[in-house]
Amino acid sequence: GAVVSQHPSRVICKSGTSVKIECRSLDFQATTMFWYRQFPKKSLMLMATSNEGSKATYEQGVEKDKFLINHASLTLSTLTVTSAHPEDSSFYICSARDNRGYNEQFFGPGTRLTVL
Amino acid sequence: AQSVAQPEDQVNVAEGNPLTVKCTYSVSGNPYLFWYVQYPNRGLQFLLKYITGDNLVKGSYGFEAEFNKSQTSFHLKKPSALVSDSALYFCAVRDSSASKIIFGSGTRLSIRP
Repeated sequence: GAVVSQHPSRVICKSGTSVKIECRSLDFQATTMFWYRQFPKKSLMLMATSNEGSKATYEQGVEKDKFLINHASLTLSTLTVTSAHPEDSSFYICSARDNRGYNEQFFGPGTRLTVL
Repeated sequence: AQSVAQPEDQVNVAEGNPLTVKCTYSVSGNPYLFWYVQYPNRGLQFLLKYITGDNLVKGSYGFEAEFNKSQTSFHLKKPSALVSDSALYFCAVRDSSASKIIFGSGTRLSIRP
């Protein structure tokens, strides 16, 4: 099956700094990628839909200036958490939609962000 | 708007017994339905999906799910549970005309030896 990677897998940063998380589709092209956030023992919350070459579409309640998304190519989307605070600590998961077939989504392994 | 419900936070089953994890959905068009499994501190692993065709879908690790249009359900099943099946299971739905997948709240499956 198709593979999606995320980097880094784990990051610890100080409060006030910015952190960039990369999501790559390794063996297919993805016009659309998605960013999810998962709190401990909770479901995945869709944060935003990332579209190659255009602005991301954010879900209600998600701060677009806080969570910057860039989808510069058909295989790469990045999520930057700006001026991170401890409440931003979470597990962030991306997915990429393969435009072939039934537009199936493939998920990355996730990035654990801890803000001290 | 599309939505999916998993009514059970936790399901406990003895090893070797059959298991069922429930899921119901709501979409405006034809549903695309998915089951994923998540182990601690890991991403999602795809188990199976229903897009069209046979209502009984077979997936990875011996799991299967049955699409029931009249009951708008897509319950996950396995004839004989293993301790290694213990994990967090998510049902998800996408409207055929929509671009995004929406997840249920998750069900923690615990298989006791």
